[in-house]
Amino acid sequence: DTAVSQTPKYLVTQMGNDKSIKCEQNLGHDTMYWYKQDSKKFLKIMFSYNNKELIINETVPNRFSPKSPDKAHLNLHINSLELGDSAVYFCASSQVFVAEQYFGPGTRLTVT
Amino acid sequence: RKEVEQDPGPFNVPEGATVAFNCTYSNSASQSFFWYRQDCRKEPKLLMSVYSSGNEDGRFTAQLNRASQYISLLIRDSKLSDSATYLCVVIPPGANNLFFGTGTRLTVIP
Repeated sequence: DTAVSQTPKYLVTQMGNDKSIKCEQNLGHDTMYWYKQDSKKFLKIMFSYNNKELIINETVPNRFSPKSPDKAHLNLHINSLELGDSAVYFCASSQVFVAEQYFGPGTRLTVT
Repeated sequence: RKEVEQDPGPFNVPEGATVAFNCTYSNSASQSFFWYRQDCRKEPKLLMSVYSSGNEDGRFTAQLNRASQYISLLIRDSKLSDSATYLCVVIPPGANNLFFGTGTRLTVIP
């Protein structure tokens, strides 16, 4: 019974490509998030999606776009991938906005 | 100034030792605090919330010091399986996300 799941687990792609990462939570939570963890292991919030309201971290390039078909899903689409996008991307969810969060297993993205 | 600051370590301790980590936060009005644990190549997992009165869960004790604006995590009788990175998390008032520290890496040595 995976609470927060992500696919794919690994993604290797070339610069310039467009890719998507999927996230699903079965916890009945109202809020979902996307984080980027770089090589220095720092977790950086990218997006919060709460009750159909999207909150974007202003430092995130507009090549990144989250899409939420329903409350249980928050997918991340990335256009024109760059080398610097290589990182681990974690999806997370929380019962209410800005509360303790539960993370998915991560997607390790490598851009070559 | 960063919202949350942690000593990155590494802390290398023998099995059975007691080890403590501190984490300082910048916004004195912050109300919610957590410790997360992240194993190598895994996702962060909630270890425990930090309550004003302090709280204990088995070998783990979390404390909050509002006057000095830090939270601490004490691990007693360290096990090999405690080896991980420990992340402190703070939610400042009015924030729209959690603020994670950079993590403190612990290695428990046989």
